[in-house]
Amino acid sequence: QVQLVESGGGLVKPGGSLRLSCAASGFTFSDHYVNWIRQAPGKGLEWVSYISMTAVDIHYADSVKGRFTISRDNAKNLLFLQMNSLRVEDTAVYYCTRRGVGGASDYWGQGTLVTVSS
Amino acid sequence: QSVLAQPPSVSGTPGQRVTITCSGSSSNIGAGYDVHWFQQLPGAAPKLLIYGNNNRPSGVPDRFSGSKSGTSASLAITGLQAEDEADYYCQSYDTRLSLPYVFGTGTKVTVL
Repeated sequence: QVQLVESGGGLVKPGGSLRLSCAASGFTFSDHYVNWIRQAPGKGLEWVSYISMTAVDIHYADSVKGRFTISRDNAKNLLFLQMNSLRVEDTAVYYCTRRGVGGASDYWGQGTLVTVSS
Repeated sequence: QSVLAQPPSVSGTPGQRVTITCSGSSSNIGAGYDVHWFQQLPGAAPKLLIYGNNNRPSGVPDRFSGSKSGTSASLAITGLQAEDEADYYCQSYDTRLSLPYVFGTGTKVTVL
């Protein structure tokens, strides 16, 4: 079965860095676009970034552009999000999702919590 | 950053029909982009409920249905059940390269 498992979240001070990982299994990872989507505590969903199968097509939300970098390792079925210059407003649960049927995020990981606080 | 407007809450009694609207603009839903709907149960990750405006993934009960018209979309739940109490989000795309994916503000469905 399709599984996405995020890791790497934690507590970091403003201005710090974190690297999130997402391990994919149960499907051909290299056949799919993948996304990072986040949800601040008690708030709605916010798309962060996506990456195409071969990393040719990459996009970021304006709120993270220049600070976050998405990447993938198709040989290891891994998705990454390098987060630098973190801000308090980056505090959220970060989900990795697979772009599947009709272009929708048809599978989601359980999420990893990033807390930016001094 | 939510560009699609949803009512904050809707409620109904078991067996009732409720609808959730998702209002966009000419740069997203009105531009012809598909709308997807997600259900988020308390403490859980979101789950795909409707894709491509009106298609249900395998395993989603047929009491959930979607529609789209003009710059808006709707999710209907017929025969409301207690386990439908959750947050619901619509999602579409936008012509602005700065924000290709857009989500709705979210709607809390309460079963009375």
